[in-house]
Amino acid sequence: QKEVEQDPGPLSVPEGAIVSLNCTYSNSAFQYFMWYRQYSRKGPELLMYTYSSGNKEDGRFTAQVDKSSKYISLFIRDSQPSDSATYLCATSNFGNEKLTFGTGTRLTIIP
Amino acid sequence: NAGVTQTPKFQVLKTGQSMTLQCAQDMNHNSMYWYRQDPGMGLRLIYYSASEGTTDKGEVPNGYNVSRLNKREFSLRLESAAPSQTSVYFCASTRASYNEQFFGPGTRLTVL
Repeated sequence: QKEVEQDPGPLSVPEGAIVSLNCTYSNSAFQYFMWYRQYSRKGPELLMYTYSSGNKEDGRFTAQVDKSSKYISLFIRDSQPSDSATYLCATSNFGNEKLTFGTGTRLTIIP
Repeated sequence: NAGVTQTPKFQVLKTGQSMTLQCAQDMNHNSMYWYRQDPGMGLRLIYYSASEGTTDKGEVPNGYNVSRLNKREFSLRLESAAPSQTSVYFCASTRASYNEQFFGPGTRLTVL
């Protein structure tokens, strides 16, 4: 079993819809949770960063962490065609710079 | 400020050939990483370097060697390329004690 599980999709939604992307993890020591966005043929770029449980909002993006169920989510409101990309979740534990990545979910927003 | 740069962008090798992938960062980061990305497998860590002069194996180090030439540069070498090493390779860097990794644009490698 992988330490971080992520549905690879692909996921297609119409423009303007709310998108929900999710990951589960198995290591209860993980405390840092990140979402990276990767456009086709590009390197991943950090989108959201959260520590421990709770929500973090940045514009149309909300990252949510539920440590009790080991579940992390990324919500995209008012989705745009420019949001079409692969989204990777990543985690790490305290004092460890190394990240553990999910396999990524490929998202397409249909105009 | 170029961030993380990688060369070459594309490469085709024959089985048994060798090559070195170059990576450089201009953000004064201490830690650098090499990943490979394959369909359905996500990003897998090959090697990392916590500081100049130190390197450690990651999840999939077999068939690779690395050199941390100085604080800026971290190279990945394939001594005898195999078709199983066909992949997209990413270099990343981060500040000490931080988790946010900055990635380069990647190198697409095909081994025939």
